[in-house]
Amino acid sequence: DGGITQSPKYLFRKEGQNVTLSCEQNLNHDAMYWYRQDPGQGLRLIYYSQIVNDFQKGDIAEGYSVSREKKESFPLTVTSAQKNPTAFYLCASSTPPGLAKNIQYFGAGTRLSVL
Amino acid sequence: SQQGEEDPQALSIQEGENATMNCSYKTSINNLQWYRQNSGRGLVHLILIRSNEREKHSGRLRVTLDTSKKSSSLLITASRAADTASYFCATDGYSGAGSYQLTFGKGTKLSVIP
Repeated sequence: DGGITQSPKYLFRKEGQNVTLSCEQNLNHDAMYWYRQDPGQGLRLIYYSQIVNDFQKGDIAEGYSVSREKKESFPLTVTSAQKNPTAFYLCASSTPPGLAKNIQYFGAGTRLSVL
Repeated sequence: SQQGEEDPQALSIQEGENATMNCSYKTSINNLQWYRQNSGRGLVHLILIRSNEREKHSGRLRVTLDTSKKSSSLLITASRAADTASYFCATDGYSGAGSYQLTFGKGTKLSVIP
């Protein structure tokens, strides 16, 4: 069953705590992305990675960190420096962008709340 | 940075009616895509239209693109209650430093009343 798996579905963070959101794909895609979605808003890009061992900051990277050690995996850590982390987080993957077709495939999302 | 801007923000129609959503953008693009999001779920790709295309069809979906006006529209014909969702346009273009990104709008929330 091909696709993108995000876990957990719900996550609660205590003040001062770092939490890590998991994203795994078996679509053999090179590029992966993390987006944040606030209520009634569109998607804002946090980080993206076009290839293993490389990643770039998006529009709202402050307070977040990522790694890309394997093609299949792109975990996102929400650090204590992110003062307003409550949001819906979406992971996506795609074939290399810029190739006329940059269709992204999304996971089901992780809803993060602060305790 | 968000480039696409959908209009209207919310749309409520009766089952069987057509639904039209519009998207405007600011810079040049390779293609424009429409995605659908059911409440609390991830986005699903619906249709892609290239910058050199003017119209595209897929089932009950019809997309138009006017690059001179930097706008696109998504038409859903003969709507069904199951079409209730948020619809996002996304522009695919060069974002600098050798990078291409999809930039999403804020979406149109469609409610289809049975």
